[in-house]
Amino acid sequence: NAGVTQTPKFRVLKTGQSMTLLCAQDMNHEYMYWYRQDPGMGLRLIHYSVGEGTTAKGEVPDGYNVSRLKKQNFLLGLESAAPSQTSVYFCASSYSTFGTQYFGPGTRLTVL
Amino acid sequence: TQLLEQSPQFLSIQEGENLTVYCNSSSVFSSLQWYRQEPGEGPVLLVTVVTGGEVKKLKRLTFQFGDARKDSSLHITAAQPGDTGLYLCAGARFQGAQKLVFGQGTRLTINP
Repeated sequence: NAGVTQTPKFRVLKTGQSMTLLCAQDMNHEYMYWYRQDPGMGLRLIHYSVGEGTTAKGEVPDGYNVSRLKKQNFLLGLESAAPSQTSVYFCASSYSTFGTQYFGPGTRLTVL
Repeated sequence: TQLLEQSPQFLSIQEGENLTVYCNSSSVFSSLQWYRQEPGEGPVLLVTVVTGGEVKKLKRLTFQFGDARKDSSLHITAAQPGDTGLYLCAGARFQGAQKLVFGQGTRLTINP
């Protein structure tokens, strides 16, 4: 039982490049979330999904897109990376609306 | 806009001392959660407080939710080096999903 896994762990991009972060969970959770964590700002919600095939905007969605084609996977895409997107990205999942959110280990992204 | 103000942001004390971390907001939340985050890992839920005035204890950690459900505190008694880490508070709002608003975090160092 791996819980929530994130791929890759580290990535360096140049401004304008694109990439996709993968989040996978093996707990059969309905809800999945993407957060970013920046120094002095805590975690902020980017996008979330309440089930397979659904996505919704969070607090800071600009510059990101997401997809939830399979229940166990939640993808976060950056179409044209900017230095302001340098951050640590965390994925989380929960079984229900009120359920505990379980976080992955994070992806450290640097945009030069 | 930082809806949850956490203080202090940094705290370094000696083993055996007591400490309190505060989490304040002008907004009401459905619940208030406390997480602990280790370097290179995602946050892990410690406790959730739901009712105004609620107090929960987890060994040497005492969590309290304010009567108006806008603020919370974490008190650690006789701190130990193993308590070292980043502590995050998060207010929960249920709007289609459990949307968490995080404080900036308190980086706690317990010196032997």
